[in-house]
Amino acid sequence: GQNIDQPTEMTATEGAIVQINCTYQTSGFNGLFWYQQHAGEAPTFLSYNVLDGLEEKGRFSSFLSRSKGYSYLLLKELQMKDSASYLCAVVDYKLSFGAGTTVTVRA
Amino acid sequence: DAGITQSPRYKITETGRQVTLMCHQTWSHSYMFWYRQDLGHGLRLIYYSAAADITDKGEVPDGYVVSRSKTENFPLTLESATRSQTSVYFCASSDTSGLGSSYEQYFGPGTRLTVT
Repeated sequence: GQNIDQPTEMTATEGAIVQINCTYQTSGFNGLFWYQQHAGEAPTFLSYNVLDGLEEKGRFSSFLSRSKGYSYLLLKELQMKDSASYLCAVVDYKLSFGAGTTVTVRA
Repeated sequence: DAGITQSPRYKITETGRQVTLMCHQTWSHSYMFWYRQDLGHGLRLIYYSAAADITDKGEVPDGYVVSRSKTENFPLTLESATRSQTSVYFCASSDTSGLGSSYEQYFGPGTRLTVT
């Protein structure tokens, strides 16, 4: 079975940094995705990690530790448009999603 | 390039009625998926398909039927709708080759279904 945990909500100020943690216990592992989902819209791809370490993509970075079953998504220089839900998803032969973390960016 | 589309975008139906949600993708991706998204549960897999005429159950398949006669289409049918099936339904596709980020899924815009 799959067990994927992430915080329900986080709030941060524009220009700040927020770190969204994801812990997982899964029967198999072929990588971990982070998706962004704005209210009323479809999820869109942010990042993919399959090896341990940090992947950086502009203002967004994602980290993976396979031995600890742990990942985080780091959002830097927050902007109002970053207010969204962030979904952690683990791949075995399919994607299993966490419930998502709603990030609210305040001015 | 239309990508992946879903229809209808909004649907209200009554308990006991049959309803079909359509999904169409133009990329010729081999894999297609149906999810439902409910508050507090995130995205849960209903059914998926690895290719035409190959389908398999996901986490929450009860009350749903799928078919895939053509690679580009993957309709989801609620045989006798219940109020618990009120949800937002997302279709997704991927060109999974078993390597790296090819597992990435591309999502349609969603169908908001209300069962009264």
